[in-house]
Amino acid sequence: DIVLTQSPVLAVSLGQRATISCRASQSVSISSINLMHWYQQKPGQQPKLLIYRASNLASGIPARFSGSGSGTDFTLTIDPVQADDIAAYYCQQSRESPHTFGAGTKLELK
Amino acid sequence: EVQLVETGGGLVRPGSSLKLSCATSGFTFSNTWMNWVRQAPGKGLEWVALIKDKYSNYEANYAESVKGRFTISRDDSKSRVYLQMNTLRDQDTATYYCTRGHRYNHYFDYWGQGVMVTVSS
Repeated sequence: DIVLTQSPVLAVSLGQRATISCRASQSVSISSINLMHWYQQKPGQQPKLLIYRASNLASGIPARFSGSGSGTDFTLTIDPVQADDIAAYYCQQSRESPHTFGAGTKLELK
Repeated sequence: EVQLVETGGGLVRPGSSLKLSCATSGFTFSNTWMNWVRQAPGKGLEWVALIKDKYSNYEANYAESVKGRFTISRDDSKSRVYLQMNTLRDQDTATYYCTRGHRYNHYFDYWGQGVMVTVSS
């Protein structure tokens, strides 16, 4: 299985930039298609799709969220961070089945 | 508006069975691939099962952790997807989410609110 590694916690200040990383144990890209996706989960709620195929903003997601990366290294950026963004963030790969998730990064206020 | 509503969770003993149901609306269910994803208390997300549509012969795929014990199915006439869970174990305790999957890129663009399954003696 492809293992996705995320840092457990990231502390940021409101109004600053947050950069959340996800590293895959093998490439999750096929040609120019990067099969990495990002989700946000607030406490007590279901996850919500933020970014698909590494850099595409899902419907209704604010433009302060962006994604980048290819191969094995991917990044979710939130700029600027707002109070409503305090949540857990998960990456997910769909290059190979099973379509695994990272363990999540909790975004906390500094 | 896309809606996914799971039902059927509860507290069961190890070794028993449970069937989850997910009622959907707001999209063309019959040509959509559907999944179940679970989350153990305080833990991360784990994909459980996928069922493809009639154009893909309703092919089903499972995580190794549930293969042979869980069965995913669908009723296109009711726009529902199901998860039959047999021989439940303590480690199956989780919130189970019904999710709509993208056919080609396999990301989950809509999620239900989740249903809790607790396996305990």
